[in-house]
Amino acid sequence: GAVVSQHPSRVICKSGTSVKIECRSLDFQATTMFWYRQFPKKSLMLMATSNEGSKATYEQGVEKDKFLINHASLTLSTLTVTSAHPEDSSFYICSARTQGGSPLHFGNGTRLTVT
Amino acid sequence: AQTVTQSQPEMSVQEAETVTLSCTYDTSENNYYLFWYKQPPSRQMILVIRQEAYKQQNATENRFSVNFQKAAKSFSLKISDSQLGDTAMYFCAFMKQGGSEKLVFGKGMKLTVNP
Repeated sequence: GAVVSQHPSRVICKSGTSVKIECRSLDFQATTMFWYRQFPKKSLMLMATSNEGSKATYEQGVEKDKFLINHASLTLSTLTVTSAHPEDSSFYICSARTQGGSPLHFGNGTRLTVT
Repeated sequence: AQTVTQSQPEMSVQEAETVTLSCTYDTSENNYYLFWYKQPPSRQMILVIRQEAYKQQNATENRFSVNFQKAAKSFSLKISDSQLGDTAMYFCAFMKQGGSEKLVFGKGMKLTVNP
């Protein structure tokens, strides 16, 4: 149980285009999802907390206009990287939990490469 | 703000031996959770073990156990009978109880199990 599916697993896009990454909780409802970014051989950096039906809460230093987060339902959150640049190339991971205090379950991550 | 420190960037151990990974954290909170996550080369984040701060008893999960010292703010992970499949990055993480309950990760430690 508690499976989180993230799609796509890999994406290559051209500089200036936008890319959407989906995060779905397959067998549970997630009122809160989290989006992380991970650079090579580095830790996970929280980008934003996504709450169903409301605006996401972004961490300091994360551009909300560049990284658009939508949490339209209890099972789906999306991250859109707008006007992507090569420095946005990274590994993006979403996570969700079943209820307060329970551990986070992670998606498989998306490797974004901007050329 | 909470911080999580993993001071050992890398360790290696022989198969079947025991290894201990260290983690310290800083918080003024009294109610929180601590986690160890494993990230193998596939980059999937896998929950290894979880500890509630209010519990004095150390958590155990098969070959994995923790030494939780609340006063010292220390949370080490012991892996017994190390297996080749234990080779991965290991992240210690802190989560305050209540509120957004977001995870704060340490920098991670690369563990290599040698045959």
